[in-house]
Amino acid sequence: TQLLEQSPQFLSIQEGENLTVYCNSSSVFSSLQWYRQEPGEGPVLLVTVVTGGEVKKLKRLTFQFGDARKDSSLHITAAQPGDTGLYLCAAGVGGSNYKLTFGKGTLLTVNP
Amino acid sequence: DVKVTQSSRYLVKRTGEKVFLECVQDMDHENMFWYRQDPGLGLRLIYFSYDVKMKEKGDIPEGYSVSREKKERFSLILESASTNQTSMYLCASSLAGVWNEQFFGPGTRLTVL
Repeated sequence: TQLLEQSPQFLSIQEGENLTVYCNSSSVFSSLQWYRQEPGEGPVLLVTVVTGGEVKKLKRLTFQFGDARKDSSLHITAAQPGDTGLYLCAAGVGGSNYKLTFGKGTLLTVNP
Repeated sequence: DVKVTQSSRYLVKRTGEKVFLECVQDMDHENMFWYRQDPGLGLRLIYFSYDVKMKEKGDIPEGYSVSREKKERFSLILESASTNQTSMYLCASSLAGVWNEQFFGPGTRLTVL
């Protein structure tokens, strides 16, 4: 089973701070997704990255796919309380065109 | 807008009961999935379906079965509920061949007493 390791597991910061969370694997992926899950809700897709070295921006969120397509990072600038949630990375399983493996997530709390 | 709905947000059942969880998507997606999510264990795939009447076991299928009679509907069945099946159940769907992007429902919090 391909393993996606996310770090840190928990992160508590003050509003306005910057942060980076990581998603690492020893496997190469054709694509990788980031999801955000709010308490009591289902995950919501934020972005898909497919090209090694690719950088995508979504307002204050910056996503990067590693050159070797084995890792990814999510950087949030000037975090807000609305950014609070569980951030999950996911990638295709063994070349499958429909199954995903998920990391266990980073639980982010942004305090006002 | 993409829409996946689940029949219940909260459900309380007794040990031994047969439980049906239903999921409907309105996006004409070929693939549908059932996961459970538990603290410290993350999302674990129970079953998935890549076409009507087609199904494959995921990582933890024991104690569960599924049914997909129509493209838009995927049901998860707990044949005889047990307390260790208390969990958050998440349904998802995806379009075949599009980078595996999955769209999730809001989840069903199931408690088995």
